[in-house]
Amino acid sequence: GAGVSQSPRYKVAKRGQDVALRCDPISGHVSLFWYQQALGQGPEFLTYFQNEAQLDKSGLPSDRFFAERPEGSVSTLKIQRTQQEDSAVYLCASIPLRGANTEAFFGQGTRLTVV
Amino acid sequence: GQQLNQSPQSMFIQEGEDVSMNCTSSSIFNTWLWYKQEPGEGPVLLIALYKAGELTSNGRLTAQFGITRKDSFLNISASIPSDVGIYFCAGLNAGKSTFGDGTTLTVKP
Repeated sequence: GAGVSQSPRYKVAKRGQDVALRCDPISGHVSLFWYQQALGQGPEFLTYFQNEAQLDKSGLPSDRFFAERPEGSVSTLKIQRTQQEDSAVYLCASIPLRGANTEAFFGQGTRLTVV
Repeated sequence: GQQLNQSPQSMFIQEGEDVSMNCTSSSIFNTWLWYKQEPGEGPVLLIALYKAGELTSNGRLTAQFGITRKDSFLNISASIPSDVGIYFCAGLNAGKSTFGDGTTLTVKP
Protein backbone atom coordinates (compact mmCIF):
# COMPACT_ATOMS: atom_id res chain seq x y z
CA GLY A 1 0.00 0.00 0.00
CA ALA A 2 0.90 3.64 -0.21
CA GLY A 3 1.24 4.25 3.52
CA VAL A 4 1.87 2.54 6.84
CA SER A 5 -1.06 0.28 7.67
CA GLN A 6 -1.96 -0.82 11.19
CA SER A 7 -4.54 -3.32 12.37
CA PRO A 8 -6.80 -3.52 14.14
CA ARG A 9 -7.74 0.16 14.36
CA TYR A 10 -9.47 -0.45 17.69
CA LYS A 11 -9.05 -3.21 20.24
CA VAL A 12 -10.88 -3.71 23.50
CA ALA A 13 -9.25 -6.26 25.77
CA LYS A 14 -10.20 -7.59 29.15
CA ARG A 15 -7.55 -7.15 31.80
CA GLY A 16 -5.23 -10.13 31.69
CA GLN A 17 -5.86 -10.89 28.03
CA ASP A 18 -3.02 -11.06 25.50
CA VAL A 19 -3.18 -8.82 22.41
CA ALA A 20 -1.26 -8.62 19.14
CA LEU A 21 -1.03 -5.43 17.10
CA ARG A 22 0.11 -5.52 13.50
CA CYS A 23 2.06 -3.01 11.42
CA ASP A 24 2.60 -3.11 7.66
CA PRO A 25 5.28 -0.51 6.89
CA ILE A 26 5.74 1.19 3.55
CA SER A 27 7.20 -1.36 1.15
CA GLY A 28 10.99 -1.29 1.15
CA HIS A 29 11.35 0.81 4.29
CA VAL A 30 14.28 -0.46 6.30
CA SER A 31 13.55 1.05 9.70
CA LEU A 32 10.41 0.48 11.74
CA PHE A 33 9.44 2.08 15.04
CA TRP A 34 6.71 1.48 17.59
CA TYR A 35 5.44 4.32 19.78
CA GLN A 36 2.88 4.46 22.60
CA GLN A 37 0.68 7.54 22.85
CA ALA A 38 -1.31 8.03 26.03
CA LEU A 39 -4.29 10.37 26.01
CA GLY A 40 -3.22 14.00 25.93
CA GLN A 41 0.46 13.23 25.46
CA GLY A 42 2.94 12.94 22.66
CA PRO A 43 4.06 9.57 21.30
CA GLU A 44 6.73 7.81 23.34
CA PHE A 45 9.31 5.51 21.81
CA LEU A 46 8.95 1.80 22.48
CA THR A 47 11.23 -0.08 20.12
CA TYR A 48 13.10 0.10 16.81
CA PHE A 49 13.89 -2.43 14.08
CA GLN A 50 16.35 -2.22 11.26
CA ASN A 51 15.18 -4.88 8.84
CA GLU A 52 14.55 -7.92 11.08
CA ALA A 53 16.95 -6.87 13.81
CA GLN A 54 15.55 -5.24 16.93
CA LEU A 55 18.24 -2.67 17.65
CA ASP A 56 16.63 -0.77 20.49
CA LYS A 57 13.91 -1.92 22.88
CA SER A 58 14.72 0.49 25.67
CA GLY A 59 11.25 2.03 25.61
CA LEU A 60 9.28 -1.15 26.25
CA PRO A 61 7.64 -0.53 29.65
CA SER A 62 7.80 -4.09 30.93
CA ASP A 63 8.60 -7.66 29.95
CA ARG A 64 4.93 -8.08 29.08
CA PHE A 65 5.68 -6.17 25.88
CA PHE A 66 7.31 -7.99 23.01
CA ALA A 67 7.85 -6.95 19.38
CA GLU A 68 9.07 -8.86 16.37
CA ARG A 69 9.71 -8.33 12.68
CA PRO A 70 10.84 -11.76 11.54
CA GLU A 71 11.13 -11.11 7.80
CA GLY A 72 12.08 -7.46 7.92
CA SER A 73 8.71 -6.18 6.75
CA VAL A 74 5.53 -6.71 8.82
CA SER A 75 5.93 -6.20 12.55
CA THR A 76 3.83 -7.35 15.48
CA LEU A 77 3.69 -5.79 18.93
CA LYS A 78 2.43 -8.24 21.51
CA ILE A 79 1.26 -7.32 24.98
CA GLN A 80 0.76 -10.14 27.44
CA ARG A 81 -1.56 -10.05 30.46
CA THR A 82 -2.81 -6.57 29.58
CA GLN A 83 -3.29 -4.03 32.37
CA GLN A 84 -5.43 -0.90 32.42
CA GLU A 85 -2.33 1.29 32.20
CA ASP A 86 -1.61 -0.29 28.80
CA SER A 87 -4.61 1.59 27.36
CA ALA A 88 -3.21 3.93 24.71
CA VAL A 89 -2.82 4.43 21.00
CA TYR A 90 0.03 2.35 19.59
CA LEU A 91 1.63 3.98 16.57
CA CYS A 92 3.92 2.38 14.04
CA ALA A 93 6.25 4.40 11.83
CA SER A 94 8.73 3.55 9.10
CA ILE A 95 11.72 5.24 7.51
CA PRO A 96 13.24 4.26 4.16
CA LEU A 97 16.86 4.23 5.28
CA ARG A 98 18.65 2.77 8.28
CA GLY A 99 18.98 5.20 11.17
CA ALA A 100 18.44 8.13 8.89
CA ASN A 101 17.75 11.53 10.35
CA THR A 102 14.69 11.99 8.23
CA GLU A 103 11.06 12.07 9.15
CA ALA A 104 9.13 8.90 9.84
CA PHE A 105 5.85 8.03 8.16
CA PHE A 106 3.22 7.11 10.71
CA GLY A 107 0.28 4.75 10.53
CA GLN A 108 -3.13 5.65 11.91
CA GLY A 109 -2.47 3.71 15.08
CA THR A 110 -4.29 1.05 17.07
CA ARG A 111 -6.34 2.34 19.98
CA LEU A 112 -6.16 -0.24 22.76
CA THR A 113 -8.62 -0.04 25.62
CA VAL A 114 -8.15 -2.44 28.52
CA VAL A 115 -11.27 -2.91 30.64
CA GLY B 1 15.75 10.37 29.41
CA GLN B 2 15.35 13.14 26.89
CA GLN B 3 12.37 15.41 27.36
CA LEU B 4 10.87 18.14 25.26
CA ASN B 5 8.90 21.00 26.80
CA GLN B 6 6.30 22.25 24.37
CA SER B 7 4.24 25.38 24.94
CA PRO B 8 1.59 26.55 25.05
CA GLN B 9 -0.42 23.46 25.90
CA SER B 10 -3.48 24.85 24.12
CA MET B 11 -4.53 27.89 22.14
CA PHE B 12 -7.93 29.31 21.26
CA ILE B 13 -7.69 31.85 18.46
CA GLN B 14 -9.85 33.67 15.96
CA GLU B 15 -9.66 32.82 12.27
CA GLY B 16 -7.08 35.03 10.60
CA GLU B 17 -4.84 35.37 13.63
CA ASP B 18 -1.22 34.28 13.70
CA VAL B 19 -0.06 31.49 16.02
CA SER B 20 3.27 30.73 17.59
CA MET B 21 4.35 27.67 19.55
CA ASN B 22 7.74 26.43 20.69
CA CYS B 23 9.73 23.55 22.07
CA THR B 24 12.77 23.45 24.30
CA SER B 25 14.96 20.56 25.30
CA SER B 26 17.74 19.83 27.74
CA SER B 27 19.41 17.74 25.02
CA ILE B 28 20.79 18.55 21.60
CA PHE B 29 19.01 17.16 18.56
CA ASN B 30 20.35 16.80 15.02
CA THR B 31 16.96 17.32 13.45
CA TRP B 32 13.77 19.02 14.57
CA LEU B 33 10.39 18.03 13.17
CA TRP B 34 6.93 19.51 13.47
CA TYR B 35 3.90 17.24 13.08
CA LYS B 36 0.15 17.76 13.07
CA GLN B 37 -2.19 15.11 14.41
CA GLU B 38 -5.94 15.02 13.87
CA PRO B 39 -8.36 12.79 15.80
CA GLY B 40 -8.01 9.12 14.92
CA GLU B 41 -4.96 9.67 12.75
CA GLY B 42 -1.23 9.33 13.14
CA PRO B 43 1.05 12.38 13.13
CA VAL B 44 1.68 13.92 9.72
CA LEU B 45 4.89 15.80 9.05
CA LEU B 46 4.61 19.55 8.44
CA ILE B 47 8.19 20.80 8.45
CA ALA B 48 11.63 19.23 8.95
CA LEU B 49 14.66 21.24 10.07
CA TYR B 50 18.15 19.81 9.61
CA LYS B 51 20.62 22.58 10.48
CA ALA B 52 21.03 24.83 13.48
CA GLY B 53 19.69 28.28 12.68
CA GLU B 54 17.68 27.01 9.71
CA LEU B 55 14.45 28.86 8.97
CA THR B 56 12.04 26.96 6.75
CA SER B 57 8.61 27.78 5.38
CA ASN B 58 5.82 25.58 4.08
CA GLY B 59 2.95 27.75 2.91
CA ARG B 60 1.59 29.61 5.93
CA LEU B 61 3.88 27.66 8.27
CA THR B 62 7.34 28.81 9.29
CA ALA B 63 9.67 26.96 11.63
CA GLN B 64 13.16 27.59 12.94
CA PHE B 65 15.85 25.31 14.35
CA GLY B 66 17.48 27.09 17.29
CA ILE B 67 21.18 27.93 17.19
CA THR B 68 21.85 25.86 20.31
CA ARG B 69 20.02 22.88 18.70
CA LYS B 70 17.95 22.65 21.85
CA ASP B 71 14.87 24.53 20.71
CA SER B 72 12.54 25.21 17.82
CA PHE B 73 9.47 27.28 17.10
CA LEU B 74 6.56 26.99 14.68
CA ASN B 75 4.52 29.92 13.43
CA ILE B 76 1.23 29.68 11.57
CA SER B 77 0.10 32.84 9.83
CA ALA B 78 -3.47 33.83 8.97
CA SER B 79 -5.02 30.78 10.62
CA ILE B 80 -8.00 29.04 9.05
CA PRO B 81 -10.51 26.58 10.56
CA SER B 82 -8.75 23.54 9.07
CA ASP B 83 -5.63 24.37 11.11
CA VAL B 84 -7.43 22.84 14.08
CA GLY B 85 -5.54 19.91 15.55
CA ILE B 86 -2.68 18.97 17.83
CA TYR B 87 0.79 20.13 16.84
CA PHE B 88 3.79 18.17 18.05
CA CYS B 89 7.44 19.02 17.97
CA ALA B 90 9.92 16.16 17.83
CA GLY B 91 13.66 16.01 18.19
CA LEU B 92 15.34 13.38 16.12
CA ASN B 93 18.61 11.54 16.68
CA ALA B 94 19.59 8.43 14.69
CA GLY B 95 16.03 7.97 13.47
CA LYS B 96 14.49 7.91 16.94
CA SER B 97 12.05 10.71 17.70
CA THR B 98 11.38 12.29 21.07
CA PHE B 99 8.07 14.13 21.09
CA GLY B 100 6.70 17.05 23.04
CA ASP B 101 3.24 16.74 24.59
CA GLY B 102 1.60 18.82 21.89
CA THR B 103 -0.17 22.14 21.45
CA THR B 104 -3.91 21.85 20.86
CA LEU B 105 -5.08 24.53 18.48
CA THR B 106 -8.69 25.64 18.23
CA VAL B 107 -9.66 28.17 15.57
CA LYS B 108 -12.94 30.01 15.87
CA PRO B 109 -14.50 31.11 12.57
